[in-house]
Amino acid sequence: RKEVEQDPGPFNVPEGATVAFNCTYSNSASQSFFWYRQDCRKEPKLLMSVYSSGNEDGRFTAQLNRASQYISLLIRDSKLSDSATYLCVVDYTGGFKTIFGAGTRLFVKA
Amino acid sequence: EAGVAQSPRYKIIEKRQSVAFWCNPISGHATLYWYQQILGQGPKLLIQFQNNGVVDDSQLPKDRFSAERLKGVDSTLKIQPAKLEDSAVYLCASSDRTVPNTGELFFGEGSRLTVL
Repeated sequence: RKEVEQDPGPFNVPEGATVAFNCTYSNSASQSFFWYRQDCRKEPKLLMSVYSSGNEDGRFTAQLNRASQYISLLIRDSKLSDSATYLCVVDYTGGFKTIFGAGTRLFVKA
Repeated sequence: EAGVAQSPRYKIIEKRQSVAFWCNPISGHATLYWYQQILGQGPKLLIQFQNNGVVDDSQLPKDRFSAERLKGVDSTLKIQPAKLEDSAVYLCASSDRTVPNTGELFFGEGSRLTVL
């Protein structure tokens, strides 16, 4: 079983739609969680951290469920510019081991 | 502030040849990572340095890959001899994580390797 698993998609949604991605992790000792965004042929960049209480940044909401070992990312009112690959990232063993999921591809259409 | 610098951006070699990639992290960042990203997959950690010491190299194919970080700043990743399956983007990242669970990873633009 992979340490971090994501639905690869692709998710094809129209502008203005709401879309949600899930990510599961296998190691219960995992301590920190993040979503990174990667545009085509570009490097990954931090989108947001994920906290136990859930957190929101504009149209983006991230949530963590430790009991079920999954994290989620919700994008509301999708924009064309949201088209990218969204990478789920998990830190464990004291925060110095960072594991990336394979990513979920999102295409937002006009 | 200057970002993570990598070179070369692109490299095409034949199998069994060797190649080296260079990375200069953000100034002051103690932690440096090399990731391999094969098309359609997420980045896979090859090696992680804390200053000039290796923290994790469990997924580095040591029979053909080597990496060093002299003086705790620049780093070089070498592949010798290359195989077809080494075709990928090699991403270098750095962070100022001296405290666990804090700090984002900053990536360079990557070095795209094609092995023919």
